[in-house]
Amino acid sequence: AQRVTQPEKLLSVFKGAPVELKCNYSYSGSPELFWYVQYSRQRLQLLLRHISRESIKGFTADLNKGETSFHLKKPFAQEEDSAMYYCALGGAQKLVFGQGTRLTINP
Amino acid sequence: DAGVIQSPRHEVTEMGQEVTLRCKPISGHNSLFWYRQTMMRGLELLIYFNNNVPIDDSGMPEDRFSAKMPNASFSTLKIQPSEPRDSAVYFCASSLPRGTGELFFGEGSRLTVL
Repeated sequence: AQRVTQPEKLLSVFKGAPVELKCNYSYSGSPELFWYVQYSRQRLQLLLRHISRESIKGFTADLNKGETSFHLKKPFAQEEDSAMYYCALGGAQKLVFGQGTRLTINP
Repeated sequence: DAGVIQSPRHEVTEMGQEVTLRCKPISGHNSLFWYRQTMMRGLELLIYFNNNVPIDDSGMPEDRFSAKMPNASFSTLKIQPSEPRDSAVYFCASSLPRGTGELFFGEGSRLTVL
Protein backbone atom coordinates (compact mmCIF):
# COMPACT_ATOMS: atom_id res chain seq x y z
CA ALA A 1 0.00 0.00 0.00
CA GLN A 2 1.05 3.57 -0.65
CA ARG A 3 1.24 5.84 2.36
CA VAL A 4 2.56 9.36 2.93
CA THR A 5 3.12 10.92 6.34
CA GLN A 6 3.62 14.61 6.99
CA PRO A 7 4.12 14.83 10.75
CA GLU A 8 3.58 18.58 11.08
CA LYS A 9 0.12 20.02 10.39
CA LEU A 10 1.33 23.53 11.13
CA LEU A 11 4.75 25.11 10.76
CA SER A 12 5.59 28.71 11.49
CA VAL A 13 8.95 30.34 10.81
CA PHE A 14 10.28 33.86 10.51
CA LYS A 15 11.16 35.48 7.20
CA GLY A 16 14.74 34.72 6.29
CA ALA A 17 14.92 31.59 8.43
CA PRO A 18 15.45 28.12 6.93
CA VAL A 19 12.42 25.96 6.28
CA GLU A 20 12.10 22.19 6.29
CA LEU A 21 8.81 20.41 5.69
CA LYS A 22 9.02 16.74 6.52
CA CYS A 23 7.64 13.90 4.43
CA ASN A 24 8.01 10.16 4.89
CA TYR A 25 6.56 7.51 2.64
CA SER A 26 5.82 3.82 2.55
CA TYR A 27 5.79 1.95 -0.74
CA SER A 28 7.09 -1.41 -1.84
CA GLY A 29 7.73 -0.37 -5.43
CA SER A 30 9.91 2.29 -7.00
CA PRO A 31 8.57 5.58 -5.65
CA GLU A 32 7.84 8.77 -7.51
CA LEU A 33 7.69 11.68 -5.09
CA PHE A 34 6.19 15.11 -5.55
CA TRP A 35 5.51 18.28 -3.61
CA TYR A 36 2.33 20.19 -4.36
CA VAL A 37 1.46 23.64 -3.05
CA GLN A 38 -1.81 25.48 -2.57
CA TYR A 39 -1.52 29.23 -2.15
CA SER A 40 -4.44 31.20 -0.78
CA ARG A 41 -7.30 31.34 -3.29
CA GLN A 42 -5.34 29.38 -5.89
CA ARG A 43 -5.53 25.84 -7.23
CA LEU A 44 -3.40 23.04 -5.90
CA GLN A 45 -0.38 22.90 -8.17
CA LEU A 46 2.82 20.97 -8.64
CA LEU A 47 5.86 22.53 -6.97
CA LEU A 48 8.53 19.98 -7.77
CA ARG A 49 9.15 16.32 -8.45
CA HIS A 50 12.08 14.22 -7.29
CA ILE A 51 12.90 12.89 -10.72
CA SER A 52 13.69 16.38 -12.00
CA ARG A 53 16.14 17.17 -9.21
CA GLU A 54 15.33 20.84 -9.70
CA SER A 55 15.00 23.90 -7.49
CA ILE A 56 11.72 25.75 -7.75
CA LYS A 57 11.19 29.09 -6.00
CA GLY A 58 14.28 28.27 -3.96
CA PHE A 59 12.85 24.97 -2.74
CA THR A 60 14.63 21.65 -3.11
CA ALA A 61 13.79 18.11 -2.03
CA ASP A 62 16.02 15.07 -1.99
CA LEU A 63 14.71 11.55 -2.10
CA ASN A 64 16.34 9.43 0.61
CA LYS A 65 15.39 5.83 -0.03
CA GLY A 66 17.20 4.59 3.05
CA GLU A 67 15.13 6.80 5.32
CA THR A 68 12.08 6.72 2.98
CA SER A 69 11.93 10.49 3.17
CA PHE A 70 11.44 13.39 0.79
CA HIS A 71 11.77 16.51 2.91
CA LEU A 72 11.23 19.94 1.32
CA LYS A 73 13.80 22.59 2.15
CA LYS A 74 14.46 26.25 1.55
CA PRO A 75 17.41 28.09 3.07
CA PHE A 76 15.72 31.50 3.45
CA ALA A 77 11.94 31.69 3.81
CA GLN A 78 9.97 34.47 2.16
CA GLU A 79 6.52 35.74 3.11
CA GLU A 80 5.09 34.57 -0.22
CA ASP A 81 5.99 30.99 0.74
CA SER A 82 3.05 30.93 3.14
CA ALA A 83 0.77 28.19 1.81
CA MET A 84 -0.45 24.62 2.26
CA TYR A 85 2.12 22.05 1.17
CA TYR A 86 1.35 18.46 0.29
CA CYS A 87 3.79 15.64 -0.26
CA ALA A 88 2.58 13.05 -2.76
CA LEU A 89 3.61 9.54 -3.71
CA GLY A 90 2.99 8.21 -7.20
CA GLY A 91 2.76 4.57 -8.07
CA ALA A 92 0.37 2.16 -9.70
CA GLN A 93 -1.00 5.07 -11.74
CA LYS A 94 -2.40 6.98 -8.78
CA LEU A 95 -1.13 9.79 -6.57
CA VAL A 96 -1.52 9.51 -2.81
CA PHE A 97 -1.15 12.65 -0.72
CA GLY A 98 -0.10 13.28 2.83
CA GLN A 99 -2.22 15.26 5.26
CA GLY A 100 -0.50 18.50 4.36
CA THR A 101 1.50 21.09 6.28
CA ARG A 102 0.34 24.66 6.57
CA LEU A 103 3.41 26.86 6.41
CA THR A 104 3.22 30.39 7.78
CA ILE A 105 6.07 32.82 7.29
CA ASN A 106 6.09 35.57 9.88
CA PRO A 107 7.49 38.98 8.93
CA ASP B 1 -7.46 25.96 -21.98
CA ALA B 2 -9.44 26.90 -18.88
CA GLY B 3 -8.06 23.97 -16.98
CA VAL B 4 -10.13 21.49 -15.03
CA ILE B 5 -13.59 22.90 -14.46
CA GLN B 6 -15.69 21.94 -11.46
CA SER B 7 -19.24 22.86 -10.53
CA PRO B 8 -20.77 23.95 -8.32
CA ARG B 9 -18.09 25.91 -6.49
CA HIS B 10 -20.17 25.97 -3.35
CA GLU B 11 -23.07 23.78 -2.27
CA VAL B 12 -25.08 23.99 0.92
CA THR B 13 -27.65 21.29 1.44
CA GLU B 14 -29.57 19.55 4.17
CA MET B 15 -28.89 16.12 5.50
CA GLY B 16 -30.55 13.45 3.41
CA GLN B 17 -30.49 15.37 0.17
CA GLU B 18 -28.74 14.16 -2.96
CA VAL B 19 -25.62 16.03 -4.04
CA THR B 20 -24.06 15.89 -7.49
CA LEU B 21 -20.64 17.37 -8.19
CA ARG B 22 -19.42 17.80 -11.75
CA CYS B 23 -16.04 17.87 -13.42
CA LYS B 24 -14.74 18.62 -16.89
CA PRO B 25 -11.13 17.48 -17.31
CA ILE B 26 -8.55 19.10 -19.55
CA SER B 27 -8.99 18.02 -23.14
CA GLY B 28 -6.59 15.22 -24.04
CA HIS B 29 -6.12 14.04 -20.47
CA ASN B 30 -7.21 10.44 -20.08
CA SER B 31 -6.94 10.05 -16.30
CA LEU B 32 -9.37 11.66 -13.88
CA PHE B 33 -9.22 11.69 -10.11
CA TRP B 34 -11.65 12.68 -7.36
CA TYR B 35 -10.17 13.78 -4.03
CA ARG B 36 -11.74 14.96 -0.78
CA GLN B 37 -10.01 17.54 1.41
CA THR B 38 -10.72 17.91 5.12
CA MET B 39 -8.80 19.47 7.98
CA MET B 40 -8.52 16.17 9.78
CA ARG B 41 -7.55 13.86 6.94
CA GLY B 42 -5.98 16.12 4.34
CA LEU B 43 -6.38 15.05 0.70
CA GLU B 44 -7.92 11.62 0.29
CA LEU B 45 -8.18 9.86 -3.07
CA LEU B 46 -11.75 8.69 -3.56
CA ILE B 47 -11.66 7.18 -7.04
CA TYR B 48 -9.82 7.47 -10.32
CA PHE B 49 -10.58 6.68 -13.94
CA ASN B 50 -8.40 5.79 -16.92
CA ASN B 51 -10.01 6.18 -20.33
CA ASN B 52 -13.40 6.63 -18.63
CA VAL B 53 -13.12 3.31 -16.78
CA PRO B 54 -13.02 3.29 -12.95
CA ILE B 55 -9.72 1.73 -11.92
CA ASP B 56 -9.62 2.10 -8.15
CA ASP B 57 -12.59 3.09 -5.99
CA SER B 58 -11.18 1.80 -2.73
CA GLY B 59 -11.20 5.29 -1.31
CA MET B 60 -14.93 5.78 -1.70
CA PRO B 61 -16.19 6.01 1.90
CA GLU B 62 -19.35 3.99 1.55
CA ASP B 63 -22.21 3.06 -0.72
CA ARG B 64 -23.69 6.52 -0.44
CA PHE B 65 -20.91 7.70 -2.76
CA SER B 66 -20.85 6.91 -6.47
CA ALA B 67 -18.90 8.29 -9.43
CA LYS B 68 -19.35 8.05 -13.16
CA MET B 69 -17.46 9.09 -16.25
CA PRO B 70 -19.80 8.66 -19.22
CA ASN B 71 -17.33 10.21 -21.66
CA ALA B 72 -13.84 11.69 -21.83
CA SER B 73 -15.01 15.20 -21.04
CA PHE B 74 -17.33 14.74 -18.07
CA SER B 75 -17.47 13.08 -14.68
CA THR B 76 -19.82 13.21 -11.72
CA LEU B 77 -19.50 12.41 -8.04
CA LYS B 78 -22.81 11.76 -6.33
CA ILE B 79 -23.64 11.50 -2.65
CA GLN B 80 -27.04 10.08 -1.77
CA PRO B 81 -28.15 10.58 0.93
CA SER B 82 -25.76 13.26 2.17
CA GLU B 83 -24.68 13.52 5.82
CA PRO B 84 -23.01 16.33 7.79
CA ARG B 85 -19.73 14.37 7.93
CA ASP B 86 -19.55 14.62 4.13
CA SER B 87 -18.86 18.33 4.44
CA ALA B 88 -15.52 18.94 2.74
CA VAL B 89 -13.90 20.36 -0.36
CA TYR B 90 -14.05 17.93 -3.26
CA PHE B 91 -11.37 18.23 -5.91
CA CYS B 92 -11.25 16.84 -9.39
CA ALA B 93 -7.91 16.46 -11.19
CA SER B 94 -6.80 15.16 -14.56
CA SER B 95 -3.52 14.05 -16.05
CA LEU B 96 -1.94 13.13 -19.35
CA PRO B 97 -1.72 9.54 -20.47
CA ARG B 98 1.40 8.06 -18.83
CA GLY B 99 2.68 11.60 -18.38
CA THR B 100 5.08 13.03 -15.86
CA GLY B 101 2.84 12.21 -12.94
CA GLU B 102 1.63 15.80 -12.68
CA LEU B 103 -2.02 16.26 -11.81
CA PHE B 104 -3.93 19.37 -12.82
CA PHE B 105 -6.53 20.30 -10.25
CA GLY B 106 -9.81 22.10 -10.46
CA GLU B 107 -10.74 24.86 -8.02
CA GLY B 108 -12.77 22.47 -5.92
CA SER B 109 -16.39 22.21 -4.81
CA ARG B 110 -16.99 23.20 -1.20
CA LEU B 111 -19.84 21.11 0.21
CA THR B 112 -21.64 21.90 3.43
CA VAL B 113 -24.26 19.47 4.67
CA LEU B 114 -26.42 20.86 7.47
